[in-house]
Parts: sequence; C-alpha cells; structure tokens
Amino acid sequence: VIWMTQSPSLLSASIGDRVTISCRMSQGINKYLAWYQQKPGKAPELLIYDASTLQSGVPSRFSGSGSGTDFTLTISYLQSADFATYYCQQYYSFPWTFGQGTRVEIK
Amino acid sequence: EVQLLESGGGLVQPGGSLRISCAASGFTFSSYAVSWVRQAPGKGLEWISGISGSGGSSYDADSVKGRFTISRDNSKSTLYLQMNSLSVDDTAVYYCARGGFVSGLNYFDYWGQGTLVTVSS
Repeated sequence: VIWMTQSPSLLSASIGDRVTISCRMSQGINKYLAWYQQKPGKAPELLIYDASTLQSGVPSRFSGSGSGTDFTLTISYLQSADFATYYCQQYYSFPWTFGQGTRVEIK
Repeated sequence: EVQLLESGGGLVQPGGSLRISCAASGFTFSSYAVSWVRQAPGKGLEWISGISGSGGSSYDADSVKGRFTISRDNSKSTLYLQMNSLSVDDTAVYYCARGGFVSGLNYFDYWGQGTLVTVSS
C-alpha cells in the first residue's frame, strides 16, 4: 500500500492569497497523481490529473507540479469559491489511496 | 452531460446486507471502468472497489474484500455494490465514480452525488 502524507491539514488564507498544498508519497509514483476539490455536502470534483494536467473547465489559477514522491497543488489567486477541502490521490498501484485532505478556510 | 445517480442507501443493522446502485447516463457506459469510493462522516475518501468496462475484472480494497461485491449491467448502464456482513465501520456516504481501474481511466473524472449508508442497531 502506498501511504500519502498531505499537508497542511488546515490552511487559513485570505482572498487573493497564493496557497500551496503538499502531498508526499511513501514510494515513487512517477506522475500518477490527481487532485480533487470537495465542498461541504457535495461530491469531490477532479481538478488535476497526471500531476499537472488541468481537467477541462477548471480555472487556470489551479496548477499542479511534482513527480516521484513529492507533489504540490497551487492556487495562484484564492477566490471565495476555492474555500473547500482538497485531496490528492495516487493511481500508480492498487489500492488507489487518497491523502487525508487539506481544508482551506477563510482567514 | 455525464451523470451518475446513486440510490439504495439507508439504515441497516450490523450484520445485515444492502445493495446500492448507480445509474449512469451521458456516456457509453460499457467503455469505462467505474468504482465505488466511500467517505465516513467527517473523514476522508476511501476507494473500495472498481470494475472494468466489460465487467470481466474487478478489484476490492482489503477493508471490504469478501464482504462487498461490485457488479455492473451494461444493458442498463447501472453499477451495483452488494454489501454483506455490514459493520458500524461501514457507515459512510458511498459515491460511484467513473474511472479508477488498472487500464484505461485510472483517476476519477466524474462522481455521483452519493448515497448514505448507516449501519446501526
């Protein structure tokens, strides 16, 4: 099983801030990482796959980087719609696993 | 428009069984693997089971292996999860999601709205 450490678990930020979320793997996974956004009471939505490819329709202020064991999700200019919980997910080997989540709240 | 609509959740006693469903529309169902992902109250996401587009192959997480069975009916564009020997630890919102298999789409590009399964006496 590939273990994932996502940090921070809680991030307090203001509108307009640049924020970064980290996801670290217990072993290398090449580029096989996705990021999801989940708002309270809603299903997750895919933001990024293959570590850095933006899903169609996702605003360009979201970006992903990394390969191997260390990955980052960046929101370049935080908007009110971005306050949510973010999860990383590896699809390098079964079982697919998710990070513990990062909640982005209003400062 | 791709849509996934889960149904069948509810309250079940420990040791009981339940079958939940996911009706798909807006895409060629048989061409895609689909999975079940669950989320316990206030917790994170857990992939539990995935099945190939043809239905010929499936994988389960250890937490449900031997108790849950994933299946699909491509003629009805519907995914199922038969859950047996349920315990309180299985209480969660169950999402169906497109993708999540070893071949083809590995990540989850579309999700249903979820169905709540509560295991309690």
